[in-house]
Amino acid sequence: AQSVTQPDIHITVSEGASLELRCNYSYGATPYLFWYVQSPGQGLQLLLKYFSGDTLVQGIKGFEAEFKRSQSSFNLRKPSVHWSDAAEYFCAAPGAGSYQLTFGKGTKLSVIP
Amino acid sequence: DAGVIQSPRHEVTEMGQEVTLRCKPISGHNSLFWYRQTMMRGLELLIYFNNNVPIDDSGMPEDRFSAKMPNASFSTLKIQPSEPRDSAVYFCASSFPDSGTEAFFGQGTRLTVV
Repeated sequence: AQSVTQPDIHITVSEGASLELRCNYSYGATPYLFWYVQSPGQGLQLLLKYFSGDTLVQGIKGFEAEFKRSQSSFNLRKPSVHWSDAAEYFCAAPGAGSYQLTFGKGTKLSVIP
Repeated sequence: DAGVIQSPRHEVTEMGQEVTLRCKPISGHNSLFWYRQTMMRGLELLIYFNNNVPIDDSGMPEDRFSAKMPNASFSTLKIQPSEPRDSAVYFCASSFPDSGTEAFFGQGTRLTVV
């Protein structure tokens, strides 16, 4: 069955430092892949998505992600983190029915001033 | 567009009471999803509607849970009777019926059953 794994439950970085959040997927075909962000008390907001083509995808708020088929990964990156980036980040891919999204367990990002 | 609108934002109820959560999807979207988020289990899909018809309700935990979509602009998720273990954040999301398009989420309803 398709699955999405986020190995890191919680990551802490200093403001201005670079960030990489890991995501691995299990999927037979080339998947559609998504990263969402959830601020406290809010719903999920789409950061970026990969469908096909260029494996480096740019998103909102200065985030990018790179699809690596050989590693079954879709890691999220940002060169310089801002305090407002503190939130929980979810990687997602189509589920078994292909119409719904299967989410990873999420990675909580804390930012130290 | 105002996005996916859920109400209420917060609900506190006593065990055994009926709870109804409401959702208005984005106009033009014909897929609607109800998700539940808990610390232990993360985000779980409860039910999926396409063109107002329930397609997959395999995620509904038990018969106490029911969902309806009487028209393209409104859906409800009902829990009767509610139990403390139902306490969670419930999200509604909508999208076009294509796995390539993203789902747009509402802000959620935080349900507390005491």
